[in-house]
Amino acid sequence: ILNVEQSPQSLHVQEGDSTNFTCSFPSSNFYALHWYRWETAKSPEALFVMTLNGDEKKKGRISATLNTKEGYSYLYIKGSQPEDSATYLCAPISNDYKLSFGAGTTVTVRA
Amino acid sequence: DTEVTQTPKHLVMGMTNKKSLKCEQHMGHRAMYWYKQKAKKPPELMFVYSYEKLSINESVPSRFSPECPNSSLLNLHLHALQPEDSALYLCASSQVRGGGTEAFFGQGTRLTVV
Repeated sequence: ILNVEQSPQSLHVQEGDSTNFTCSFPSSNFYALHWYRWETAKSPEALFVMTLNGDEKKKGRISATLNTKEGYSYLYIKGSQPEDSATYLCAPISNDYKLSFGAGTTVTVRA
Repeated sequence: DTEVTQTPKHLVMGMTNKKSLKCEQHMGHRAMYWYKQKAKKPPELMFVYSYEKLSINESVPSRFSPECPNSSLLNLHLHALQPEDSALYLCASSQVRGGGTEAFFGQGTRLTVV
């Protein structure tokens, strides 16, 4: 199982502010990286699947970048809204093809 | 249809009971997954099926027995569980095993072992 670190564990952001957080993973044997958004009482929902070094993906106000050489991915939320409050899970996948999650970053957007 | 349907939504069972969790998808996905999620922790991978064959068992105790009767269905048979097995059990599916495509998750079964 990959050693995945997500930081910070939690963060609070004022509505309208932007924020970002990190997923770190071993760079060897990298295959793909998934980001999921997980709201309380709901099931995890895929945001991005990233495979190439330098990949940048965007969905609305949320975007992500990937650096496979140094083993990290950033997730950015621009102009945070209360509905962005959730836990954001990353799942780096190596050549064992296991979809296993990091501990997550819990984002709370204050109105 | 991008739904993964899990039944039942809630289940309470005694330690001597036998019960089953069910998961169904009609997206033509050939990889299906069982996860266990405890409070304030991320989902923890238990089993992966690929083309109806078990491809990953994450050293799960034998009191959990998965079954994939066809490409749309995934079951988790439960027997002689312990109270510490109480958790949310999530099912997911993806086009194929491998991580190149996103996984779709069901709403989960909230299991309580008494």
